[in-house]
Amino acid sequence: SQTIHQWPATLVQPVGSPLSLECTVEGTSNPNLYWYRQAAGRGLQLLFYSVGIGQISSEVPQNLSASRPQDRQFILSSKKLLLSDSGFYLCAWSLAGGPGDTQYFGPGTRLTVL
Amino acid sequence: GNSVTQMEGPVTLSEEAFLTINCTYTATGYPSLFWYVQYPGEGLQLLLKATKADDKGSNKGFEATYRKETTSFHLEKGSVQVSDSAVYFCALIRTGTASKLTFGTGTRLQVTL
Repeated sequence: SQTIHQWPATLVQPVGSPLSLECTVEGTSNPNLYWYRQAAGRGLQLLFYSVGIGQISSEVPQNLSASRPQDRQFILSSKKLLLSDSGFYLCAWSLAGGPGDTQYFGPGTRLTVL
Repeated sequence: GNSVTQMEGPVTLSEEAFLTINCTYTATGYPSLFWYVQYPGEGLQLLLKATKADDKGSNKGFEATYRKETTSFHLEKGSVQVSDSAVYFCALIRTGTASKLTFGTGTRLQVTL
C-alpha cells in the first residue's frame, strides 16, 4: 500500500531564516506530487505541483520554491522566511493521468514564523 | 475558472442529529467531486468522491450525490457522533496533465453530547 510521509511535523523558525520541508511517498511510482498551504482559518491553497523529476509548476508567486530531486521526493524551500509563511503545509500525491484522480495527503507540517 | 462554495461554519449539532453541509461548484466540463475531512492537528483524509452526474459517494455513514443540474454536492449524515467533529472540505478536480484540486474554504463541525 502507498504511504506518504512529511517532516518535520512541527517547526518554529525566525523571520529571514531558510526553510526546507520534505515529503516522500512509498509504494507507487511516478506519482503527481503537490504542496498545499493552509493558513489559519482559511482553506487550502495549491502552491506547487510536479508531474515528474525536475518538473515543477508554481501556482502562486511567492518566496517559496519546490524541487523534486527523486521520483518520490518533493521538497519545499525558502531562502528567507516571512511572517506570512506561517501555516500548515500539506503534501499530496496522486496517480499520474486518468480522470478524477484522487489525491492522498500527508500528515502535514505546522510552520510558525516568529 | 473553477470554484467551490461551502456553507459557513461552524456547525454545532447534538449527537445523533442529522447533518447537511452544503457545497456548490462552478466548473466547465465534467469535474470529479470530493469531500475531505480534517481532524484536529491532522492532514486531510478522503471521505468520499463521485466522478459523474447522479453518482452517490458514501463512506462511514456520510453520503453526497453529484447533482449536475444544481451544480451541488451536499454532504449528509443521518446521525452524527462526537467523533465526527472535524473540518470538512468540498473539492473538485478538472482532469488534465496534473489533476489539481480546487477546495472550498472548509466547514467546521462540532458535535456535542
